[in-house]
Amino acid sequence: EVQLVESGGGLVQPGGSLRLSCAAPGFTLSIYSINWVRQAPGKGLEWVSYISSSGSGTNYADSVKGRFTISRDNVKNSVHLQMNSLRAEDTAVYYCARARPDYYMDVWGKGTTVTVSS
Amino acid sequence: QTVVTQEPSFSVSPGGTVTLTCGLSSGSVSTTYYPSWYQQTPGQAPRTLIYNTNIRSSGVPDRFSGSILGNKAALTITGAQADDESDYYCMLFMSSGNWVFGGGTKLTVL
Repeated sequence: EVQLVESGGGLVQPGGSLRLSCAAPGFTLSIYSINWVRQAPGKGLEWVSYISSSGSGTNYADSVKGRFTISRDNVKNSVHLQMNSLRAEDTAVYYCARARPDYYMDVWGKGTTVTVSS
Repeated sequence: QTVVTQEPSFSVSPGGTVTLTCGLSSGSVSTTYYPSWYQQTPGQAPRTLIYNTNIRSSGVPDRFSGSILGNKAALTITGAQADDESDYYCMLFMSSGNWVFGGGTKLTVL
């Protein structure tokens, strides 16, 4: 089964850090670009970050630029989102999603919850 | 700051047809934005419905269709069913290399 699995969410204080991971038990992640998308409680979807299949291309939403870093380990078949200087407004469910050539996302994980609170 | 606009809510009768739209705060949506549409029910991950304006994702029933109507992207549901009651999000790919989601439309089937 083609699936993505996120992990690493949790409760963190404002100003703290978390590292999210995205794994693909059912397929070879290394040949796909990956996006992170988040959804704050009761709110809509927000694109967060993108990484190309090789890892040479990355992009970030303005709301996280300079604080979040996306990376990948194609040997371990995983993608990571390092989140620093976390704020209350970063509280959300974070989804990783497989990016396709026509600029859309076709496979989504179930998400991992990040809560930023003191 | 580009804002992608969607109707906050819409209602359709079972068996009816509804068209949800996706616009820009400034300018027109065209195929060059590669509009895509996602369905989400509470507590679940999004499900991909339509990509590249009008291509149905694998397994999506043909009662879902996408198009450009005037200056907006559109998602039409023909013969709405009770389990179509969901939130629907459009997403556009911007020339900056970013993706932007619309605020979502809550569709009620009653």
